[in-house]
Amino acid sequence: KQEVTQIPAALSVPEGENLVLNCSFTDSAIYNLQWFRQDPGKGLTSLLLIQSSQREQTSGRLNASLDKSSGRSTLYIAASQPGDSATYLCAEGGFQKLVFGTGTRLLVSP
Amino acid sequence: NAGVTQTPKFRVLKTGQSMTLLCAQDMNHEYMYWYRQDPGMGLRLIHYSVGEGTTAKGEVPDGYNVSRLKKQNFLLGLESAAPSQTSVYFCASTDSVDSYEQYFGPGTRLTVT
Repeated sequence: KQEVTQIPAALSVPEGENLVLNCSFTDSAIYNLQWFRQDPGKGLTSLLLIQSSQREQTSGRLNASLDKSSGRSTLYIAASQPGDSATYLCAEGGFQKLVFGTGTRLLVSP
Repeated sequence: NAGVTQTPKFRVLKTGQSMTLLCAQDMNHEYMYWYRQDPGMGLRLIHYSVGEGTTAKGEVPDGYNVSRLKKQNFLLGLESAAPSQTSVYFCASTDSVDSYEQYFGPGTRLTVT
């Protein structure tokens, strides 16, 4: 059974800090890895998607990497801001389904 | 484009009642999905569809039925609601051409008493 793990479950940092969120997966035949942001009571917003043939993707202050050999992905957030406070979810899979981690709840304090 | 929309946003049901959740997408996506999100469990796939007229079971299909009569719509039905079905339900869609990036609706919060 495919499993996705996100550690830590919660993270609190001061504004301006660079931070890394971790995602581990068991599927060695991963098709893609997608990172989402979820604000309280809201839906999921796609942040970055890394296909299995890629090593990383960047969007603004966000950079996501993928290491299939170790079963890991990281989401790097540069110069964190209070507006980055949310839950970040990673999910691996392909067209048939996504398998989600339980998320990392991030709080960035002013 | 509205993207993925869900109706209703909130609903309270009594045990044994039935209801249908509607998901609509205007991106001409082939694949559509229904997930449920529960505290500590993450999102889990209920059912999905790879095209009009097709449906398939996901990880937690029991107690739910689905239909995809039109490409843009994916319906999730609860025939006899149970308290264990209290959850937030999300619909998603993706194309079948490139990356299979999934786009999500805003969710439906369902409480079964």
